[in-house]
Amino acid sequence: EVQLVQSGAEVKKPGDSLKISCKSSGYSFTTYWIGWVRQMPGKGLEWMGTIYPDDSNTKYSPSFQGQVTISADKSITTAYLQWRSLKASDTAMYYCARGSWGSSPNTHRFDPWGQGTLVTVSS
Amino acid sequence: EIVLTQSPGTLSLSPGERATLSCRASESVSSSYLAWYKQKHGQAPRLLIYGASSRATGIPDRFSGSGSGTDFTLTISRLEPEDFAVYYCQQYGSSPETFGQGTKVEFK
Repeated sequence: EVQLVQSGAEVKKPGDSLKISCKSSGYSFTTYWIGWVRQMPGKGLEWMGTIYPDDSNTKYSPSFQGQVTISADKSITTAYLQWRSLKASDTAMYYCARGSWGSSPNTHRFDPWGQGTLVTVSS
Repeated sequence: EIVLTQSPGTLSLSPGERATLSCRASESVSSSYLAWYKQKHGQAPRLLIYGASSRATGIPDRFSGSGSGTDFTLTISRLEPEDFAVYYCQQYGSSPETFGQGTKVEFK
């Protein structure tokens, strides 16, 4: 069974750094893209970026370029989303999800999804 | 980027009724790369339809997708209690991938 299991909820202060994780199992981690999607409280879904774990090729949405860093560690089949300096407006649920197979696709549908990591940023 | 507009915002229906959800794109979606997701309250989204009309693994056949170009539709032939949720469309024909704002299907 394909599973993506995300790290637990975080409560941080503005200016803090943070790295959340997404552990994959049940498939070949290096040959599928992994994407991150933000959902702000009561709002819709926003694609943030996607990484190809085999070579760490990463694509970011223009809205999130420079705001976050996506990475992956093949040895432990885990993808990451990190912030250097959090803002209150980063408060949201963050989902990882498996994208397309192979290095070529530029865009992706997502299936399945992790359970989500709630990030709360408050002073 | 392609903007997706879903309508209606809320659909009030009873179990057993038919639901028709619309997703309109600001420009043509390449290769009909249009997906639909269902999100129940407090849960992660789940892929229902991809390629505009192909059902994802394990999705019952009461869910169907249609459309091409700029106009797409998700139809639920007979609503079951577990179908009351928020539905999102997503285009993945061009970067950046974008989602619609969602349609909530609620109990009438």
